[in-house]
Amino acid sequence: NAGVMQNPRHLVRRRGQEARLRCSPMKGHSHVYWYRQLPEEGLKFMVYLQKENIIDESGMPKERFSAEFPKEGPSILRIQQVVRGDSAAYFCASSPGRGPYGYTFGSGTRLTVV
Amino acid sequence: KQEVTQIPAALSVPEGENLVLNCSFTDSAIYNLQWFRQDPGKGLTSLLLIQSSQREQTSGRLNASLDKSSGRSTLYIAASQPGDSATYLCAVRQETSGSRLTFGEGTQLTVNP
Repeated sequence: NAGVMQNPRHLVRRRGQEARLRCSPMKGHSHVYWYRQLPEEGLKFMVYLQKENIIDESGMPKERFSAEFPKEGPSILRIQQVVRGDSAAYFCASSPGRGPYGYTFGSGTRLTVV
Repeated sequence: KQEVTQIPAALSVPEGENLVLNCSFTDSAIYNLQWFRQDPGKGLTSLLLIQSSQREQTSGRLNASLDKSSGRSTLYIAASQPGDSATYLCAVRQETSGSRLTFGEGTQLTVNP
């Protein structure tokens, strides 16, 4: 079991470019969560997805950010027209379902906007 | 809105000491509480998961307790080692917030040889 796989591990983008972050959940897990950790800050919830459904996106910035979890393939967190303030570590976690399960986190993608 | 607080923010101890990290939360309607470890520049490693009906969980030198009614959890680390140096994060999972985790700011632990 390879765990939660995130790629790339590091991503550098110029201001105005698009960033695409990928997350493959653990085998058997159908629920995916994205969290952001800004420098010197704690982890903040962004979005919760199941296959082909966004369940809770209340933590997502209103503009430029979107997420999907298609029927086939990894979950994608997409940031359009990146700005320096988007520089952060983005973590993905997965769980088997809605019940009282623990979360398993990936190693994160560190986005740097230059 | 759930708020999670961890005390102390940083802790430096000599090797071999037993230590306690504290976590408090404002809304007791939780599914569970999870302790994680984060090494610099790395991801989160789950240490212990305590369900709301449980009082404590143990794994090796780690013991976590939960007092749901008072909104508190402690992580006890016995016989600390330099390899325990990391940031320890407490996170609660709400019954009513669609399964999200709310994290504390963490305790940065340094164990000196």
